[in-house]
Amino acid sequence: EVHLVESGGGLVQPGRSLRLSCAASGFTFDDYAMHWVRQAPGKGLDWVSGISWNSRILGYADSVKGRFTISRDNAKNSLYLQMNSLKTEDTAFYYCVKDVRGADTSGFDYWGQGTLVTVSS
Amino acid sequence: DTTLTQSPAFMSATPGDKVNISCKASQDIDDDMNWYQQKPGEATIFIIQEATSLVPGISPRFSGSGYGTDFTLTINNIDSEDAAYYFCLQYDNVPLTFGQGTKVEIK
Repeated sequence: EVHLVESGGGLVQPGRSLRLSCAASGFTFDDYAMHWVRQAPGKGLDWVSGISWNSRILGYADSVKGRFTISRDNAKNSLYLQMNSLKTEDTAFYYCVKDVRGADTSGFDYWGQGTLVTVSS
Repeated sequence: DTTLTQSPAFMSATPGDKVNISCKASQDIDDDMNWYQQKPGEATIFIIQEATSLVPGISPRFSGSGYGTDFTLTINNIDSEDAAYYFCLQYDNVPLTFGQGTKVEIK
């Protein structure tokens, strides 16, 4: 059974940094692309970034470009999101999601439960 | 960017009803659309892939149709367990984008 468990969320001041992690299990991690998706409380979903099986960056949302960095460690079955220069508008639940494919994207088939990031002074 | 306009935002259905949820893309995305179901406190579930294919293990009461710019998620003989938030996703181009979502309530 596929499990995606996010960690690293919390309360952080504007301008500070935070690193999210996602521990994956139940599938061959290095066969699939992975993504981060976020959802502000009471709002819709926004794709943040994606990375292919071999760490080719699939892209970033314009709202996070230059501030967030996605990465993965296939030896540790883990996905990461380094978030710098955080803004109040980055406040959201952040979901780790697994792609249907490896080198490109066909959307997502499994989602984690999410971790809440709150950016506030 | 491809904008997905999903409607309605909210609907209330009676058990046994047939429900249609629409998702319109601002540009041609072929069949590069998936549909998902989200319930509070639970992991999001993948229900329709490539616009029309039912994900294995999902109830056949769910179906998807459409190609290009107009897509529909249909729930036949709706049941109380189908009360949830439904949303569409396009993966034809980056950035991947989502519809605004539809909250389905069962009377």
